Amino acid sequence: DTGVSQDPRHKITKRGQNVTFRCDPISEHNRLYWYRQTLGQGPEFLTYFQNEAQLEKSRLLSDRFSAERPKGSFSTLEIQRTEQGDSAMYLCASSLEGEQGKQPQHFGDGTRLSIL
Amino acid sequence: GQQVMQIPQYQHVQEGEDFTTYCNSSTTLSNIQWYKQRPGGHPVFLIQLVKSGEVKKQKRLTFQFGEAKKNSSLHITATQTTDVGTYFCAGRRPGANNLFFGTGTRLTVIP
Repeated sequence: DTGVSQDPRHKITKRGQNVTFRCDPISEHNRLYWYRQTLGQGPEFLTYFQNEAQLEKSRLLSDRFSAERPKGSFSTLEIQRTEQGDSAMYLCASSLEGEQGKQPQHFGDGTRLSIL
Repeated sequence: GQQVMQIPQYQHVQEGEDFTTYCNSSTTLSNIQWYKQRPGGHPVFLIQLVKSGEVKKQKRLTFQFGEAKKNSSLHITATQTTDVGTYFCAGRRPGANNLFFGTGTRLTVIP
């Protein structure tokens, strides 16, 4: 399967702990996106990379959140000092380069984060 | 900020009935994409609309983009149980990089 891969699928942690998620995009895709999705809502944009450059960050991405894509391939999303409100599904998507925003995004299965 | 609203939030139909979900943006969109998310799954791309008034069909699914490029609709003819899931529209403002996803319409098909 050459789709978008995310790890872990589930993460349960205590409030105040740090967590890190990984996303492996489709290999030929140079664009990578992170979203957060809560129950009954659509995905909310968090941040976007083109190759290794982080080009845009949402206001939802507080200073406790950081994302990297060091070699332009896989990406990590770290949340420091987790809070109850961070509980959500974190989705990664990738797309081909093309006219901005007009390429289909391919989503991974997500990492479900539960904060105790 | 930009908001993309969808109605209805939920829809229950008998198998064989038609279904429509409507997507409305507070701002003009450059393009709109539609995604389907099955229960427990991830969003899967269905189609993209770019031109004002554009209509596209995929078998029993018909997608429309409004003349003002601020609204869109998805119509499913003769629903089947395989159509179950949540349908999201996602729009992009001109010059913006990211997509704004709608609130979604959750479709249940009763056999």
